[in-house]
Parts: sequence; structure tokens; C-alpha cells
Amino acid sequence: DAKTTQPNSMESNEEEPVHLPCNHSTISGTDYIHWYRQLPSQGPEYVIHGLTSNVNNRMASLAIAEDRKSSTLILHRATLRDAAVYYCILREYNYGQNFVFGPGTRLSVLP
Amino acid sequence: DAGVIQSPRHEVTEMGQEVTLRCKPISGHDYLFWYRQTMMRGLELLIYFNNNVPIDDSGMPEDRFSAKMPNASFSTLKIQPSEPRDSAVYFCASSRGMGVNGETQYFGPGTRLLVL
Repeated sequence: DAKTTQPNSMESNEEEPVHLPCNHSTISGTDYIHWYRQLPSQGPEYVIHGLTSNVNNRMASLAIAEDRKSSTLILHRATLRDAAVYYCILREYNYGQNFVFGPGTRLSVLP
Repeated sequence: DAGVIQSPRHEVTEMGQEVTLRCKPISGHDYLFWYRQTMMRGLELLIYFNNNVPIDDSGMPEDRFSAKMPNASFSTLKIQPSEPRDSAVYFCASSRGMGVNGETQYFGPGTRLLVL
């Protein structure tokens, strides 16, 4: 699986938007971009995934650069509950089933 | 759905003892994964099963670790004998495995293991 690079940590104020970046300059044409997050003392949970087009769901939005070498997870209004480690993962669809989790970005949300 | 269920949630044992961790995946999911998380190494995949058959165990650290999946609703991860360096949080996850949406993994709450 191709490598991703994320900032170690970020801070946000409550009720403000948060943009979490992820660089993946070696992404291949068949790699999907997946985001998971891990709340304190819990297992990781799925956030969103995409291939080329921007994606929205009830949790977040995923903005994918036109060249696909980077992407941004957008939390539209951060809450205290969004404080977590966010993982950006590349996966080649239908090639094995394992995800490789990097160190991720630790997001702190300030009241 | 109750989600992925793991037991016990916490385990404290002494070095040399056998430890058995248990997992019940989400019903209908064909894939089951065992992960280990430590501060030093982060989240690592140990082994995963498809339809109860082990597919990739390359992440299992050594022969002291073994995993089984006797049926679609139950899996165990056993450490025998346990060592202090095995102290970690062990997560079980499952997925449907069909289609890119089916690759989404659902994680259990984890078992926090401390080996003294």
C-alpha cells in the first residue's frame, strides 16, 4: 500500500471547521482513500472513503485533489466529541483486505 | 446490531500464563481481523480470516501467538506463554468484504492486556 503523510497533531476550536490534510504523492490509480478515527479508549471507526470525486456523508466531507496526490478531511463544525486520532489510509480496492494504519493526526478540540 | 463484541475488556496476568482473548464479529461479516496497538508501534494487523480460514498471519509476532476461528461467530487469540512485552490493547474487527463499501472495518472496543 502507498504511503501517506499526515501532521502529528492539530488543534481546533469548538464549532469551527477543521481541515485535516493527508499527502499521498505515490498514490496509484486504483488506490482508494479511506479515513478512520479513533476516539480515546475506543477502537477505530470508519469516517469516509473516496476514489476521485469529493465525497460527503453525515460525519464529514472528503476533498480529493485533482491529481489525487493529496486529500483533506473536513469536519464542518468540530465538537468536543471529535477529538480523536484521524488516520488517512490508501487501499487498492480488492487487493487483500488489510488496512495499514500510520500514526495519524491527533486532533484536539478546544471549548 | 450489537457490533463487534470482545471479551474480556481488561486482563491482568502474570508472565508465563496463558491468555485467551475472544471476539464475536458482526453477523454476516465474512472477514475477521485481529490488531494490536501499543504506544511504540501503533496499530498493527496480526492476522485476518475469510470465511473462518486464516488468510494472512504474517503479522503474528511469534509462535507464542495463535488464533482460531472455529465458526463464523467466534474467534480467539491466544498467547502462551505471555510476556510483559505482550502488554497492549488488542482489537478485533470485522467486515463484509464485498465491494469497496464492504471493505469498511468495524472495530470492537478492544481488550486491554497487562502482563506483569
